Amino acid sequence: SQELEQSPQSLIVQEGKNLTINCTSSKTLYGLYWYKQKYGEGLIFLMMLQKGGEEKSHEKITAKLDEKKQQSSLHITASQPSHAGIYLCGAAGYNTDKLIFGTGTRLQVFP
Amino acid sequence: KAGVTQTPRYLIKTRGQQVTLSCSPISGHRSVSWYQQTPGQGLQFLFEYFSETQRNKGNFPGRFSGRQFSNSRSEMNVSTLELGDSALYLCASSPPSGGPPEQYFGPGTRLTVT
Repeated sequence: SQELEQSPQSLIVQEGKNLTINCTSSKTLYGLYWYKQKYGEGLIFLMMLQKGGEEKSHEKITAKLDEKKQQSSLHITASQPSHAGIYLCGAAGYNTDKLIFGTGTRLQVFP
Repeated sequence: KAGVTQTPRYLIKTRGQQVTLSCSPISGHRSVSWYQQTPGQGLQFLFEYFSETQRNKGNFPGRFSGRQFSNSRSEMNVSTLELGDSALYLCASSPPSGGPPEQYFGPGTRLTVT
């Protein structure tokens, strides 16, 4: 079965700093999702990547999927306190909406 | 467009009772999936429904069941509640798509079993 590993598990950065979160899959990814979650709340959809080498951006957040479609990175430029939360990557299977999720990366941004 | 809505938002039940949670997908979305989130196990897939049919099921006991109605709204039911069922239950909906669809989550229902 497919497994997703996220790193780091936790990240504390100063406001204004850049940061990167990684997500590695044990199998080739059909679709890779990035979500953000505030504690105890629902998941906020950030972006979905499907093609090898694909890159998408949303405000100051950029996500990339490598050519082999087994690794994705999420990059935040000039972090702000509003970026704090848990970032989750999820992998979709073929012909199903079932998502397998990584364990998440907890991001804290201090002034 | 309104987002995915879940009711109730919070629920406290006693061991042995049963509970029904509701999810209304985004208008036009026909697929609804349910997940359980706990600190120990993370996010785990429960079931997936498309056009009133269960398309996929996770590794949960038979006490967990669900259904989808003709208007795409979905419910999940947990019978004979156990303490370990305390969790955040999330549902997600997605539009018809030729490839992996964008999936949008609701705010969740926080279930506490005492």
